[in-house]
Amino acid sequence: DIQMTQSPSSVSASVGDRVTITCRASQGISDWLAWYQQKPGKAPELLISSASSLQSGVPSRFSGRGSGTDFTLTISSLQPEDFATYFCQQGNSFPRTFGQGTKLEIK
Amino acid sequence: QITLMESGPTLVKPTQTLTLTCTFSGFSLSTSGVGVGWIRQPPGKALEWLALIYWDDDKRYSPSLKSRLTITKDTSKNQVVLTMTNMDPVDTATYYCAHHKQLAFFDPWGQGTLVTVSS
Repeated sequence: DIQMTQSPSSVSASVGDRVTITCRASQGISDWLAWYQQKPGKAPELLISSASSLQSGVPSRFSGRGSGTDFTLTISSLQPEDFATYFCQQGNSFPRTFGQGTKLEIK
Repeated sequence: QITLMESGPTLVKPTQTLTLTCTFSGFSLSTSGVGVGWIRQPPGKALEWLALIYWDDDKRYSPSLKSRLTITKDTSKNQVVLTMTNMDPVDTATYYCAHHKQLAFFDPWGQGTLVTVSS
């Protein structure tokens, strides 16, 4: 199985801050990586696919980079609605695996 | 617009079999390249992928749960059914179904259904 490791597991930040979350795969996955946002009591929503492709309707302050084993999700200027938990997921091989999540909290 | 909705029991007893149904609209599971997956999330924990079924009836399972899972589809009803045998309290979780996008990712997701395993 490919292990997905996110860091940090939690981060406190303020509105307007720039935040970067990292996801590392235990083996190369090319660009078969997605980022999801999950708010309390809600289902995850796909933000970015193929490492850097922003989904329709997702604000441009979100961006994704990376290839191989190391990936990042950056939020350029945090808005109040961005405080949530973020998960990465690899789609390169089976079993599909997710990172453990990064909780983004208000400072 | 693609939508999915999970249905099934909210409470099952240990050792029982769980049967969950995902009813979807906005796509057909008879169309080439289409898949539906199941993912679960224990309270306060991470997401865990369980199973996937494709338009051609190819099925994939989590290796750690493969012996307990069965995924099937009913194309005429736009439904996918997941069964999990021998339920245990550690299987308490919100169970989601999701459209499998680009044969790799999940989008969108159903709202999820919380299943509690308790005697």
